[in-house]
Amino acid sequence: QQQVKQSPQSLIVQKGGISIINCAYENTAFDYFPWYQQFPGKGPALLIAIRPDVSEKKEGRFTISFNKSAKQFSLHIMDSQPGDSATYFCAALTGGSYIPTFGRGTSLIVHP
Amino acid sequence: NAGVTQTPKFQVLKTGQSMTLQCAQDMNHEYMSWYRQDPGMGLRLIHYSVGAGITDQGEVPNGYNVSRSTTEDFPLRLLSAAPSQTSVYFCASSRQGSREQYFGPGTRLTVT
Repeated sequence: QQQVKQSPQSLIVQKGGISIINCAYENTAFDYFPWYQQFPGKGPALLIAIRPDVSEKKEGRFTISFNKSAKQFSLHIMDSQPGDSATYFCAALTGGSYIPTFGRGTSLIVHP
Repeated sequence: NAGVTQTPKFQVLKTGQSMTLQCAQDMNHEYMSWYRQDPGMGLRLIHYSVGAGITDQGEVPNGYNVSRSTTEDFPLRLLSAAPSQTSVYFCASSRQGSREQYFGPGTRLTVT
């Protein structure tokens, strides 16, 4: 049973466009929602994270939108660049836990 | 700091062979984990440890053993390799009280 459902599995965007990746969860005990970015041949690395007491968090071109009532959160990449081409994982953690539950990942390709 | 290091980077095994994937971290993190990454399946937790001498099973532990004799090292042992264990393996660590996981560069394992 997938606790965190991520879509789409793959995404192709033109340079300068907006990339949007969506995640949904069922467990209302989740209280921390990170996104990890993984470049080819590398390990994932934390990109940005949000807690459910805020609806949006922005860091540069990357924004997390959070909808607590719908149990959904999404990553928006504004002005997408070829260097953003990577696999993105959403994740969720319950209070006191340090082990994330990961989504299955989205492979993003940004064409020049 | 080197962060999380993994050796080897690549490995080819024959069915039935055994081997140990090495993982070390120099950040004095209490928590360490092993994941496998397969296409379309995301990151699946194999085993994890909350400190030296303490380990527990994750989502997909069958065919793998771990031990944690020191804070720094967390080796993953394949007892009798099977083609289904062909995957990319990531080790991760995190500090007690932190929700961020630091991943190693991965080991790509092929079992023929």
